[in-house]
Amino acid sequence: QKEVEQDPGPLSVPEGAIVSLNCTYSNSAFQYFMWYRQYSRKGPELLMYTYSSGNKEDGRFTAQVDKSSKYISLFIRDSQPSDSATYLCAMIMNSGYSTLTFGKGTMLLVSP
Amino acid sequence: DTGVSQNPRHKITKRGQNVTFRCDPISEHNRLYWYRQTLGQGPEFLTYFQNEAQLEKSRLLSDRFSAERPKGSFSTLEIQRTEQGDSAMYLCASSSGATGGNQPQHFGDGTRLSIL
Repeated sequence: QKEVEQDPGPLSVPEGAIVSLNCTYSNSAFQYFMWYRQYSRKGPELLMYTYSSGNKEDGRFTAQVDKSSKYISLFIRDSQPSDSATYLCAMIMNSGYSTLTFGKGTMLLVSP
Repeated sequence: DTGVSQNPRHKITKRGQNVTFRCDPISEHNRLYWYRQTLGQGPEFLTYFQNEAQLEKSRLLSDRFSAERPKGSFSTLEIQRTEQGDSAMYLCASSSGATGGNQPQHFGDGTRLSIL
């Protein structure tokens, strides 16, 4: 079992839909959680960075963390074709070194 | 904030050749990371610098790989005697923060390595 599990998709939705992307993890040492968006042939772009269990909202994006269930989610409201990309969850242990552990990424396709 | 810059964007080389990639981090960031990403996978950690000190290396970093960060500014990643399995996107990221901090990492657009 990999440390971070993420469904690779693709996930296809119509424009305007609410999108839910999820990751599970096995190691309770992970304390900081991030979502990155990656367009084809580009580097990952940081979308959300959270620490506490609960919700964090930024525009159309909401990140949700449930440490007791080892489960994180990213919700995208009013999805747009420009949101079509691969979404990577990533997490860091609360230790002296800050190396990210990533999921495989979920490919999202938003059709007009 | 000009972002993390990586050069070249794409490198094509024959098996057995040596290649070197460069990363220029965000100017005020003292932490620098190298990751490797293959098709359909998330990035995997290779190595980490705090200023000029290389503090951690992944088991993925075989003895053919070497990384440097002279003077704690830009970094280079060299692969010697390249193999087919080295074909991947090599990503650089940087972050701020003293030892023990966990500031978010910002990535460059990577160098895509293709081994013929």
